[in-house]
Amino acid sequence: GAVVSQHPSRVICKSGTSVKIECRSLDFQATTMFWYRQFPKQSLMLMATSNEGSKATYEQGVEKDKFLINHASLTLSTLTVTSAHPEDSSFYICSARTLASRRQGAGSNQPQHFGDGTRLSIL
Amino acid sequence: DAKTTQPTSMDCAEGRAANLPCNHSTISGNEYVYWYRQIHSQGPQYIIHGLKNNETNEMASLIITEDRKSSTLILPHATLRDTAVYYCIVRVALKTSYDKVIFGPGTSLSVIP
Repeated sequence: GAVVSQHPSRVICKSGTSVKIECRSLDFQATTMFWYRQFPKQSLMLMATSNEGSKATYEQGVEKDKFLINHASLTLSTLTVTSAHPEDSSFYICSARTLASRRQGAGSNQPQHFGDGTRLSIL
Repeated sequence: DAKTTQPTSMDCAEGRAANLPCNHSTISGNEYVYWYRQIHSQGPQYIIHGLKNNETNEMASLIITEDRKSSTLILPHATLRDTAVYYCIVRVALKTSYDKVIFGPGTSLSVIP
């Protein structure tokens, strides 16, 4: 099945530093990648959507200057949390999907495949 | 995207079938039903999806009612490793890849020994 690798799995850093999280699709080309964050005992909250080679689209309330997203290739997207503060501590999860194949025809839809998440702790 | 409603939590005895319901009464004709699950401290895992026919794979079965207003995910022989939060999502099928998945609170399934 489709594999999405996310790195690092856990990071602890001081307040004010920037942290980069990588998301890679290992065995398929991901035309679209999604970034989510999840607080304890809550559901996933979509932060932004990025298509390869174009600017990311951010959800309402997510600061694009704070959370920089780059999707430079069909297998890699990165999320950089700039000048991180303790309130940015969270579980960050990426997902990736590709276009439906011609064989599946119009109206079919590929599922998203998720990475294992990055637990970010800002001290 | 259409909204879904799921029970907050469910218990299931180990070895028995787990039947997880989902209501999506406002689903449109071109919207698929997807199921994902999230085991504690991991990323969500895709389980199965369907449009109107029932579907089965190595993980589960998906039963969609004829009017498509509800569906049931069936784990035929639940094990302790199936304890997770299960998310039912509906999403329109587009030719472009730009469509997003919005997660609701899901159903917390506990498999009891």
